[in-house]
Amino acid sequence: AQRVTQPEKLLSVFKGAPVELKCNYSYSGSPELFWYVQYSRQRLQLLLRHISRESIKGFTADLNKGETSFHLKKPFAQEEDSAMYYCALGGQGAQKLVFGQGTRLTINP
Amino acid sequence: DAGVTQSPTHLIKTRGQQVTLRCSPKSGHDTVSWYQQALGQGPQFIFQYYEEEERQRGNFPDRFSGHQFPNYSSELNVNALLLGDSALYLCASSLGKTGAKNIQYFGAGTRLSVL
Repeated sequence: AQRVTQPEKLLSVFKGAPVELKCNYSYSGSPELFWYVQYSRQRLQLLLRHISRESIKGFTADLNKGETSFHLKKPFAQEEDSAMYYCALGGQGAQKLVFGQGTRLTINP
Repeated sequence: DAGVTQSPTHLIKTRGQQVTLRCSPKSGHDTVSWYQQALGQGPQFIFQYYEEEERQRGNFPDRFSGHQFPNYSSELNVNALLLGDSALYLCASSLGKTGAKNIQYFGAGTRLSVL
């Protein structure tokens, strides 16, 4: 079965501090991992996917198959990073996305 | 490009009624997925339509059904509504055949309240 766990429902950090949003997954095959973000009053949008290996808005995420994790990191948080973040798993060949419960990130000034 | 559009934005129904939600995919997309997002939870996959057929289904009862039209737009139907069906219903579109198949673009959702 596919499962995604985001252990923190709420995360609060100060502007300029490093941010790490945790995501662990369970999947027997070769996974595709994504981070989606939802800013206030906006729709869910893709932030990044692991196979792209890119940095978006200063965020990066590395897939660690040994630890089955895909944590999202940013070295210096900005106030505009405050949002709801969802980790999602798409199995190889499968079309559905399995989402975690989400982490609400608040950046304090 | 308006992106993924959903209608209506809000809906109020009573228990036992039936509801139809609509979705138009992003221009050029041929695949539509539907998700249910309860308050405080992440989206849960209901089903996906491609080439006018249900390609994959999540763990939802048969009261949830759907349809995809030749222009790739889609409908989600829920029969015999229960209080627990109250949620935000999200539509996502994607391309069914390319390597980017799992990049799903989401609509703003339809907020369904069942009284």
